[in-house]
Amino acid sequence: GIQVEQSPPDLILQEGANSTLRCNFSDSVNNLQWFHQNPWGQLINLFYIPSGTKQNGRLSATTVATERYSLLYISSSQTTDSGVYFCAVDRLIKAAGNKLTFGGGTRVLVKP
Amino acid sequence: DTAVSQTPKYLVTQMGNDKSIKCEQNLGHDTMYWYKQDSKKFLKIMFSYNNKELIINETVPNRFSPKSPDKAHLNLHINSLELGDSAVYFCASSPRQYPTNEQYFGPGTRLTVT
Repeated sequence: GIQVEQSPPDLILQEGANSTLRCNFSDSVNNLQWFHQNPWGQLINLFYIPSGTKQNGRLSATTVATERYSLLYISSSQTTDSGVYFCAVDRLIKAAGNKLTFGGGTRVLVKP
Repeated sequence: DTAVSQTPKYLVTQMGNDKSIKCEQNLGHDTMYWYKQDSKKFLKIMFSYNNKELIINETVPNRFSPKSPDKAHLNLHINSLELGDSAVYFCASSPRQYPTNEQYFGPGTRLTVT
């Protein structure tokens, strides 16, 4: 099956700093999502981004599908950005149905 | 206006018991899923249903039986619970099975088996 690798596994930031999280995947995909799992365990949709660039406030994401990677940018980080960031992809083999394959996550801690 | 809801939020039970987790979505989506998150935070698909039809069964023990009474509900019944079943179970839904979909997750159910 498809492999999804996220880096770095852990990230400690000072409030106000910028950072980049990376997601590499082993095969072509038609769905890529970024999630934030907050300290209460909720999985929050950040981006649905199988290709291209999107921005939402201080967060932005870029997926280069032909090179099989996606980047999540956090600018001017805040303590509320702490949590685990997951990248998940779907190859969409029609007969097999849709299923997201998740990376191992990047654990982010933003210190005040 | 909750999109994907799960009950209960927490479930503590003893080995050998049978328990159920319920999931409902009010997004009008056709496809629903169950994912399991283990103690190391790794998330993996268990099942998917499209319009009440089972599409994916990802080599889950047959002690786990999903049931979809209608396309807005997908419940998970677990028989003879084992210690290794302790995890967080997430329900999700998406608007269509093919060709693309964005999945939305419920708040999770933390199951603890003692």
